[in-house]
Amino acid sequence: NAGVTQTPKFQVLKTGQSMTLQCAQDMNHEYMSWYRQDPGMGLRLIHYSVGAGITDQGEVPNGYNVSRSTTEDFPLRLLSAAPSQTSVYFCASSPSGGGADTQYFGPGTRLTVL
Amino acid sequence: GQSLEQPSEVTAVEGAIVQINCTYQTSGFYGLSWYQQHDGGAPTFLSYNALDGLEETGRFSSFLSRSDSYGYLLLQELQMKDSASYFCAVRGGNSGYSTLTFGKGTMLLVSP
Repeated sequence: NAGVTQTPKFQVLKTGQSMTLQCAQDMNHEYMSWYRQDPGMGLRLIHYSVGAGITDQGEVPNGYNVSRSTTEDFPLRLLSAAPSQTSVYFCASSPSGGGADTQYFGPGTRLTVL
Repeated sequence: GQSLEQPSEVTAVEGAIVQINCTYQTSGFYGLSWYQQHDGGAPTFLSYNALDGLEETGRFSSFLSRSDSYGYLLLQELQMKDSASYFCAVRGGNSGYSTLTFGKGTMLLVSP
């Protein structure tokens, strides 16, 4: 199993550009999430999904869109990049999102917006 | 909403014991988790407490007191490789789906 994979590993964008961060998992997990991590801020939830076709907003959803058409994939779209979106983005998955679930994180995408 | 407080940094020497505290506020509490992260790499799961008491996993133990909204991670026989950031995270929520909220992290520095 590859676990949770993310592409790209690094990305530089100009203000106003759009892009999609890819996330895939091969563990047949129902629950997937996107977090951003900024220095001194911990991990903040952007969007999450409890299964194909079901998504919801987390703590910091503005400027991001998600969709979940398959169990495996959960892409994160930046509609119009802003310097405030410079961050490290982590995708995570867990079997069901239940209390004892372990979240498995991908390696992260390091995004810089100029 | 949910919020967590944990110290920003803790230092210790090899072989020692260190405790990282975490207090939280949440609605619809399900449990408290701990994650470890090395140098900006992917966070990895360490432990989970849903009920009061101590959970032990090798050199690491985690404690929860739901009445005090408090937990801690105890690391024993510290090794240099334990130098990392440690995050407590609370699973909670009042809607049909729960979410995981992380604290800001505690950087543990282990010196020889």
